[in-house]
Amino acid sequence: ILNVEQSPQSLHVQEGDSTNFTCSFPSSNFYALHWYRWETAKSPEALFVMTLNGDEKKKGRISATLNTKEGYSYLYIKGSQPEDSATYLCALETSGSRLTFGEGTQLTVNP
Amino acid sequence: GAGVSQSPSNKVTEKGKDVELRCDPISGHTALYWYRQSLGQGLEFLIYFQGNSAPDKSGLPSDRFSAERTGGSVSTLTIQRTQQEDSAVYLCASSLGLALETQYFGPGTRLLVL
Repeated sequence: ILNVEQSPQSLHVQEGDSTNFTCSFPSSNFYALHWYRWETAKSPEALFVMTLNGDEKKKGRISATLNTKEGYSYLYIKGSQPEDSATYLCALETSGSRLTFGEGTQLTVNP
Repeated sequence: GAGVSQSPSNKVTEKGKDVELRCDPISGHTALYWYRQSLGQGLEFLIYFQGNSAPDKSGLPSDRFSAERTGGSVSTLTIQRTQQEDSAVYLCASSLGLALETQYFGPGTRLLVL
């Protein structure tokens, strides 16, 4: 059983703060690491698919880094806005394309 | 273009009844996945299809669960003799192909078994 862990479980920040959270995973059988953003009552939205050790991806104010040797990825949000409030999920892709998800980090950005 | 759609969006059923959940993937996507999220749990893989074939059914929690896909498009997930522990949000996703592809999720079906 693969164990994908995310921390913290929840996070409250003020508008304008920058924040980051962690996804850790077993580095064996690694294919890719996926990040999703899931707002209440909406579909999970894909943010990044990361495959290479040292990869860094950016989408607007959100960026992510990947370390496959030590088995972790960080997601960063610069200058958080209330609309960034959501649950951020990471998922490990191993051979066969099934994704194993962490339990997510629930972010609340207060105006 | 249209995203992944699922129906119904909500389903309330009585314990012991059968239910059928439907997923319409993005046109042209060959891979289709079913996941579920039970209360307080993370997203859990159930099954995936490549075309109409399901190479990995290992995530199905019991033999009451089955899924099929026809015409390389629509998929149905059937739960027979529903139990209260089947209550969850069932999510469908599709991707262009397998491996290293973004999976695009539908809005989910919220199932409540009374």
